[in-house]
Amino acid sequence: DIVMTQSPDSLAVSLGERATINCKSSQSVLYSSNNKNYIAWYQQKPGQSPKLLIHWASTRESGVPDRFSGSGSVTDFTLTISSLQAEDVAVYYCHQYYSAPLTFGGGTRVEI
Amino acid sequence: QITLRESGPTLVKPTQTLTLTCTFSGFSLTTSGVHVGWIRQPPGKGLEWLALIYSNGDKRYNPSLRTRLTITADTSKDQVFLTMTNMDPVDTATYSCAHRHMDSGGWHPFDSWGQGTLVTVSS
Repeated sequence: DIVMTQSPDSLAVSLGERATINCKSSQSVLYSSNNKNYIAWYQQKPGQSPKLLIHWASTRESGVPDRFSGSGSVTDFTLTISSLQAEDVAVYYCHQYYSAPLTFGGGTRVEI
Repeated sequence: QITLRESGPTLVKPTQTLTLTCTFSGFSLTTSGVHVGWIRQPPGKGLEWLALIYSNGDKRYNPSLRTRLTITADTSKDQVFLTMTNMDPVDTATYSCAHRHMDSGGWHPFDSWGQGTLVTVSS
Protein backbone atom coordinates (compact mmCIF):
# COMPACT_ATOMS: atom_id res chain seq x y z
CA ASP A 1 0.00 0.00 0.00
CA ILE A 2 1.10 3.57 -0.65
CA VAL A 3 1.10 5.44 2.64
CA MET A 4 0.35 9.15 2.44
CA THR A 5 1.85 11.25 5.23
CA GLN A 6 0.60 14.80 5.63
CA SER A 7 2.13 17.57 7.68
CA PRO A 8 1.37 19.45 9.75
CA ASP A 9 -1.74 18.01 11.37
CA SER A 10 -3.03 21.53 11.84
CA LEU A 11 -1.93 25.09 11.27
CA ALA A 12 -3.19 28.54 12.10
CA VAL A 13 -2.66 31.24 9.53
CA SER A 14 -3.59 34.90 9.58
CA LEU A 15 -5.97 36.21 6.97
CA GLY A 16 -4.06 37.09 3.82
CA GLU A 17 -1.06 35.01 4.78
CA ARG A 18 0.28 31.89 3.08
CA ALA A 19 -0.62 28.37 4.16
CA THR A 20 1.53 25.43 3.10
CA ILE A 21 0.57 21.79 3.50
CA ASN A 22 2.95 18.95 2.75
CA CYS A 23 2.22 15.42 1.64
CA LYS A 24 4.70 12.59 1.20
CA SER A 25 3.94 9.28 -0.46
CA SER A 26 5.77 6.11 0.57
CA GLN A 27 6.53 5.33 -3.07
CA SER A 28 6.50 7.10 -6.40
CA VAL A 29 3.12 8.13 -7.80
CA LEU A 30 4.60 9.37 -11.06
CA TYR A 31 3.12 7.49 -13.99
CA SER A 32 5.96 7.22 -16.48
CA SER A 33 3.84 6.76 -19.60
CA ASN A 34 2.29 10.24 -19.33
CA ASN A 35 4.64 11.91 -16.83
CA LYS A 36 1.77 12.73 -14.49
CA ASN A 37 1.77 12.50 -10.72
CA TYR A 38 -1.41 10.82 -9.55
CA ILE A 39 -1.96 13.09 -6.57
CA ALA A 40 -5.11 15.03 -5.73
CA TRP A 41 -5.97 17.57 -3.05
CA TYR A 42 -9.38 17.87 -1.42
CA GLN A 43 -10.95 20.49 0.80
CA GLN A 44 -13.54 19.38 3.33
CA LYS A 45 -15.63 21.80 5.33
CA PRO A 46 -17.70 20.67 8.35
CA GLY A 47 -20.73 18.66 7.37
CA GLN A 48 -19.74 18.57 3.70
CA SER A 49 -18.25 16.04 1.35
CA PRO A 50 -14.69 16.52 0.13
CA LYS A 51 -14.33 18.96 -2.73
CA LEU A 52 -11.68 18.27 -5.35
CA LEU A 53 -9.29 21.19 -5.66
CA ILE A 54 -6.34 19.84 -7.63
CA HIS A 55 -5.52 16.72 -9.62
CA TRP A 56 -2.33 15.45 -11.27
CA ALA A 57 -0.54 17.26 -8.44
CA SER A 58 -0.85 20.73 -9.95
CA THR A 59 -3.92 20.98 -12.20
CA ARG A 60 -6.53 23.19 -10.59
CA GLU A 61 -10.18 22.21 -10.98
CA SER A 62 -12.48 24.55 -12.83
CA GLY A 63 -13.83 27.20 -10.49
CA VAL A 64 -11.17 26.77 -7.82
CA PRO A 65 -9.61 30.13 -6.91
CA ASP A 66 -6.09 30.62 -8.17
CA ARG A 67 -4.83 31.22 -4.63
CA PHE A 68 -4.81 27.41 -4.41
CA SER A 69 -1.83 25.76 -6.08
CA GLY A 70 -0.26 22.34 -6.03
CA SER A 71 3.32 21.37 -6.68
CA GLY A 72 5.75 18.51 -6.32
CA SER A 73 6.66 15.29 -8.03
CA VAL A 74 7.41 11.61 -7.44
CA THR A 75 6.94 11.38 -3.65
CA ASP A 76 6.82 14.92 -2.26
CA PHE A 77 3.93 17.28 -2.79
CA THR A 78 2.66 20.60 -1.51
CA LEU A 79 -0.64 22.44 -1.44
CA THR A 80 -0.26 26.19 -1.07
CA ILE A 81 -2.94 28.73 -0.28
CA SER A 82 -1.25 31.96 -1.23
CA SER A 83 -3.50 34.36 0.65
CA LEU A 84 -5.78 32.70 3.17
CA GLN A 85 -9.40 33.76 3.15
CA ALA A 86 -11.97 33.10 5.87
CA GLU A 87 -13.80 30.64 3.63
CA ASP A 88 -10.66 28.50 3.33
CA VAL A 89 -11.01 27.23 6.91
CA ALA A 90 -11.32 23.49 6.37
CA VAL A 91 -9.52 20.18 6.53
CA TYR A 92 -7.36 19.39 3.51
CA TYR A 93 -6.50 15.89 2.33
CA CYS A 94 -4.02 14.62 -0.21
CA HIS A 95 -4.94 11.46 -2.12
CA GLN A 96 -3.00 9.07 -4.31
CA TYR A 97 -4.88 7.41 -7.15
CA TYR A 98 -1.81 5.82 -8.72
CA SER A 99 -2.59 2.34 -7.49
CA ALA A 100 -5.04 0.36 -5.44
CA PRO A 101 -5.63 0.43 -2.58
CA LEU A 102 -6.37 4.11 -3.09
CA THR A 103 -5.19 6.01 -0.04
CA PHE A 104 -5.56 9.40 1.60
CA GLY A 105 -3.39 11.46 3.88
CA GLY A 106 -4.50 11.96 7.45
CA GLY A 107 -5.68 15.51 6.82
CA THR A 108 -4.50 18.99 7.79
CA ARG A 109 -6.81 21.34 9.63
CA VAL A 110 -6.39 24.96 8.56
CA GLU A 111 -7.63 27.64 10.94
CA ILE A 112 -7.45 31.40 11.15
CA GLN B 1 -24.18 17.80 -14.06
CA ILE B 2 -23.08 14.75 -12.11
CA THR B 3 -24.92 13.95 -8.90
CA LEU B 4 -24.70 10.98 -6.55
CA ARG B 5 -26.88 10.14 -3.57
CA GLU B 6 -26.37 7.44 -0.98
CA SER B 7 -29.20 5.66 0.75
CA GLY B 8 -29.54 2.87 3.26
CA PRO B 9 -30.03 2.17 6.95
CA THR B 10 -28.77 4.70 9.45
CA LEU B 11 -28.51 2.15 12.25
CA VAL B 12 -27.36 -1.46 12.09
CA LYS B 13 -26.64 -3.94 14.84
CA PRO B 14 -23.28 -5.61 15.36
CA THR B 15 -22.80 -8.71 13.15
CA GLN B 16 -25.49 -7.55 10.72
CA THR B 17 -24.91 -6.94 7.02
CA LEU B 18 -25.05 -3.39 5.68
CA THR B 19 -26.30 -2.69 2.18
CA LEU B 20 -25.97 0.80 0.76
CA THR B 21 -27.24 2.16 -2.54
CA CYS B 22 -25.65 4.90 -4.61
CA THR B 23 -28.05 6.41 -7.12
CA PHE B 24 -26.38 8.63 -9.67
CA SER B 25 -27.19 10.85 -12.62
CA GLY B 26 -25.29 12.83 -15.20
CA PHE B 27 -23.20 9.90 -16.37
CA SER B 28 -23.49 6.24 -17.28
CA LEU B 29 -21.46 3.44 -15.77
CA THR B 30 -21.56 1.80 -19.20
CA THR B 31 -19.37 4.58 -20.60
CA SER B 32 -15.80 3.41 -21.00
CA GLY B 33 -13.43 4.76 -18.40
CA VAL B 34 -16.04 5.58 -15.77
CA HIS B 35 -15.73 4.29 -12.22
CA VAL B 36 -17.84 4.57 -9.08
CA GLY B 37 -16.23 4.12 -5.70
CA TRP B 38 -17.18 3.98 -2.04
CA ILE B 39 -15.28 5.86 0.64
CA ARG B 40 -16.00 6.09 4.36
CA GLN B 41 -15.12 8.52 7.11
CA PRO B 42 -15.55 7.75 10.81
CA PRO B 43 -16.76 10.75 12.84
CA GLY B 44 -13.92 13.22 13.28
CA LYS B 45 -11.45 11.03 11.39
CA GLY B 46 -9.96 10.69 7.93
CA LEU B 47 -11.01 9.13 4.64
CA GLU B 48 -10.77 5.44 3.82
CA TRP B 49 -11.36 4.05 0.35
CA LEU B 50 -13.45 0.86 0.34
CA ALA B 51 -14.23 -0.33 -3.17
CA LEU B 52 -14.39 0.60 -6.84
CA ILE B 53 -16.40 -0.71 -9.78
CA TYR B 54 -15.29 -0.08 -13.32
CA SER B 55 -17.37 0.47 -16.45
CA ASN B 56 -16.15 -2.89 -17.78
CA GLY B 57 -17.40 -4.64 -14.64
CA ASP B 58 -14.02 -5.04 -12.95
CA LYS B 59 -13.94 -4.46 -9.23
CA ARG B 60 -11.29 -3.43 -6.73
CA TYR B 61 -11.42 -3.62 -2.96
CA ASN B 62 -9.43 -2.33 -0.05
CA PRO B 63 -7.47 -5.44 1.00
CA SER B 64 -7.99 -4.63 4.67
CA LEU B 65 -11.75 -5.12 4.23
CA ARG B 66 -11.83 -7.38 1.17
CA THR B 67 -13.46 -10.37 2.84
CA ARG B 68 -16.38 -8.24 4.04
CA LEU B 69 -17.12 -6.10 0.98
CA THR B 70 -19.06 -6.64 -2.22
CA ILE B 71 -19.65 -3.94 -4.80
CA THR B 72 -22.20 -4.41 -7.57
CA ALA B 73 -24.11 -2.28 -10.04
CA ASP B 74 -27.44 -2.11 -11.82
CA THR B 75 -26.59 -0.02 -14.87
CA SER B 76 -30.21 -0.01 -16.04
CA LYS B 77 -31.13 1.92 -12.90
CA ASP B 78 -27.89 3.94 -12.59
CA GLN B 79 -27.22 2.44 -9.18
CA VAL B 80 -24.19 1.00 -7.42
CA PHE B 81 -24.47 -1.08 -4.27
CA LEU B 82 -22.07 -1.79 -1.43
CA THR B 83 -22.54 -4.69 0.93
CA MET B 84 -20.47 -4.97 4.09
CA THR B 85 -20.86 -8.02 6.29
CA ASN B 86 -20.31 -8.56 9.99
CA MET B 87 -20.68 -4.92 10.98
CA ASP B 88 -18.93 -3.73 14.13
CA PRO B 89 -19.14 -0.47 16.10
CA VAL B 90 -15.77 0.55 14.62
CA ASP B 91 -17.51 0.61 11.22
CA THR B 92 -19.58 3.59 12.35
CA ALA B 93 -18.89 6.18 9.68
CA THR B 94 -20.25 8.37 6.93
CA TYR B 95 -20.29 6.28 3.77
CA SER B 96 -20.00 8.14 0.48
CA CYS B 97 -20.02 7.16 -3.15
CA ALA B 98 -18.06 9.09 -5.74
CA HIS B 99 -17.43 9.27 -9.50
CA ARG B 100 -14.13 9.19 -11.26
CA HIS B 101 -13.11 8.77 -14.89
CA MET B 102 -10.33 8.47 -17.38
CA ASP B 103 -9.78 10.66 -20.41
CA SER B 104 -7.04 11.18 -22.99
CA GLY B 105 -4.88 12.74 -20.27
CA GLY B 106 -5.09 9.77 -17.97
CA TRP B 107 -6.91 8.79 -14.80
CA HIS B 108 -8.72 11.40 -12.72
CA PRO B 109 -9.42 11.20 -8.99
CA PHE B 110 -12.87 11.18 -7.43
CA ASP B 111 -14.32 14.41 -8.77
CA SER B 112 -17.96 14.26 -7.68
CA TRP B 113 -19.13 12.94 -4.34
CA GLY B 114 -22.48 12.20 -2.80
CA GLN B 115 -23.40 13.94 0.44
CA GLY B 116 -22.71 10.74 2.36
CA THR B 117 -24.87 8.76 4.74
CA LEU B 118 -24.01 8.24 8.41
CA VAL B 119 -24.24 4.62 9.46
CA THR B 120 -24.12 3.88 13.17
CA VAL B 121 -23.36 0.38 14.38
CA SER B 122 -24.82 -0.21 17.81
CA SER B 123 -26.89 -2.77 19.61
